[in-house]
Amino acid sequence: AQKITQTQPGMFVQEKEAVTLDCTYDTSDPSYGLFWYKQPSSGEMIFLIYQGSYDQQNATEGRYSLNFQKARKSANLVISASQLGDSAMYFCAMRGLSGNTGKLIFGQGTTLQVKP
Amino acid sequence: DGGITQSPKYLFRKEGQNVTLSCEQNLNHDAMYWYRQDPGQGLRLIYYSQIVNDFQKGDIAEGYSVSREKKESFPLTVTSAQKNPTAFYLCASSIAWEAGVNTEAFFGQGTRLTVV
Repeated sequence: AQKITQTQPGMFVQEKEAVTLDCTYDTSDPSYGLFWYKQPSSGEMIFLIYQGSYDQQNATEGRYSLNFQKARKSANLVISASQLGDSAMYFCAMRGLSGNTGKLIFGQGTTLQVKP
Repeated sequence: DGGITQSPKYLFRKEGQNVTLSCEQNLNHDAMYWYRQDPGQGLRLIYYSQIVNDFQKGDIAEGYSVSREKKESFPLTVTSAQKNPTAFYLCASSIAWEAGVNTEAFFGQGTRLTVV
């Protein structure tokens, strides 16, 4: 069975500093994708970054980077130079090929608060 | 503009009544998903569909039903069998999963359902 675990319910970071949000996953699929989404208080889901299980390099998108450690089954999100607008809930998600169904599952989320 | 439209944004239901949440996309996506989110919690998968006329149960399908008669539409019915239906419901869509391809899901704005 697939599972995503985010162990940090809440995090604080000072503006302009970097922060790491943890994500571990469990899957028996040989091929899968890992995603991070941001959810502001408005409720919308904003896609941030993607990492494929066969990608050799860690994904980066602007201030977002994904620290992918396949052997440890972790896919931590690193936000550099935090901004006040980064305050939101962040979700790690995974989609695999199990049974060719492409099931997309999410973790419990981490609430990030950026302090001025 | 392409996107996913969920309607209505707010919905009130009396106990014992069925209610249908609409989800329409014009992104030409094959895959569609329904999630439930309770306050401060993660997204839990209710149902998902990879192709027209086919869908699979997610982790919390009991008390819900769906149909996928058209590629663009994936309505969710919350039946009276769902004992605690008050929640935020999110619909998403994506292209079909292929290993190594960035296939992030795009989300609608969500529907807040309240049972009164």
